[in-house]
Amino acid sequence: DTEVTQTPKHLVMGMTNKKSLKCEQHMGHRAMYWYKQKAKKPPELMFVYSYEKLSINESVPSRFSPECPNSSLLNLHLHALQPEDSALYLCASSQTDRPAQYFGPGTRLTVL
Amino acid sequence: AQRVTQPEKLLSVFKGAPVELKCNYSYSGSPELFWYVQYSRQRLQLLLRHISRESIKGFTADLNKGETSFHLKKPFAQEEDSAMYYCALKENSNYQLIWGAGTKLIIKP
Repeated sequence: DTEVTQTPKHLVMGMTNKKSLKCEQHMGHRAMYWYKQKAKKPPELMFVYSYEKLSINESVPSRFSPECPNSSLLNLHLHALQPEDSALYLCASSQTDRPAQYFGPGTRLTVL
Repeated sequence: AQRVTQPEKLLSVFKGAPVELKCNYSYSGSPELFWYVQYSRQRLQLLLRHISRESIKGFTADLNKGETSFHLKKPFAQEEDSAMYYCALKENSNYQLIWGAGTKLIIKP
């Protein structure tokens, strides 16, 4: 399996909802990433996990809560989001000693 | 400061014409550079990395340290090359990629 998968593909949520985004890879990569991408803009790094430990948090608001249950899975828990959080959320993975990142298809999030 | 600049937001060329997407970087160390491509409604994909010096889908990119550039080139553009192209630089000390703003490439028939 050489792909990063993400679920769901689309998510619509209200500002009081709690939801989670999921990401999975079976390439043996030990670094995993969450990005936020607005239309026609490059991805913005949110979090990096290395060997299942959070290594980078790019000053992301606490309404986004990442979790890495094991080396293949990455979750992003969402709570009390704002309409401006609507975006494409991308997961990526890489080997820790090789910087090339492999991206999932993304979850298109709309916050009403 | 480390920075990646893609000066063209939009580049439009005719099918069969040569294509060059520009990327300039600012980095104090030894850079690792990448080109990523995002086709419409598809995932962001790694296209090229400078270390491998390969040609993918007819595209090549050469690192020019003197000009601090990593331009992406293809001699004969195809309609399927229409996409958003991002140049990215790996930071030395961690996993982060510094991204350019992207260039939208449109190949006209």
